Amino acid sequence: RKEVEQDPGPFNVPEGATVAFNCTYSNSASQSFFWYRQDCRKEPKLLMSVYSSGNEDGRFTAQLNRASQYISLLIRDSKLSDSATYLCVVNSGGGADGLTFGKGTHLIIQP
Amino acid sequence: DTGVSQNPRHKITKRGQNVTFRCDPISEHNRLYWYRQTLGQGPEFLTYFQNEAQLEKSRLLSDRFSAERPKGSFSTLEIQRTEQGDSAMYLCASASGLRAGELFFGEGSRLTVL
Repeated sequence: RKEVEQDPGPFNVPEGATVAFNCTYSNSASQSFFWYRQDCRKEPKLLMSVYSSGNEDGRFTAQLNRASQYISLLIRDSKLSDSATYLCVVNSGGGADGLTFGKGTHLIIQP
Repeated sequence: DTGVSQNPRHKITKRGQNVTFRCDPISEHNRLYWYRQTLGQGPEFLTYFQNEAQLEKSRLLSDRFSAERPKGSFSTLEIQRTEQGDSAMYLCASASGLRAGELFFGEGSRLTVL
């Protein structure tokens, strides 16, 4: 089983819709979780951290389910500019901050 | 621009040649990472520095790869005797350590080995 798994998509979603995708992780000792966004041919950028209690940043909501070992990202009222690849990142501790990136979920918002 | 800077942005080389990439991190960041990314994959960790000390190297990093950060500022990643499988985007990231998991990536150096 891979450390961090994501559905690669693509998810094709009409503008204004709500979309959600999950990321599962294998290491139950994982300590912290993040979502990064990567635009086509660009570098990844931190979108948001994922806290145990869940957190919201505008139209974006991130949730953590430790029992089932997954994190989720929900985007409400999707915009064309939300089209990107969303990378799940898990910190399992250890060296290099233990950061492991998933392969990413490709999201396409259609007009 | 005070972000992470990488050079060259693109490098095309013939198999067997050596290549070197440079990364200039955000000046106050003491942590520096190298990742490799191929199409359809997430970034794969290669190596990590805290100041000038190389603290970890991935199993992915063969003996042909070497990285340095001599003064705790800029870093270089050298690939010797390049192979076609080395073709990828090489991403450098830096972090201050104050906010766990927040890496600032450069735009990357794209390597094509013919």
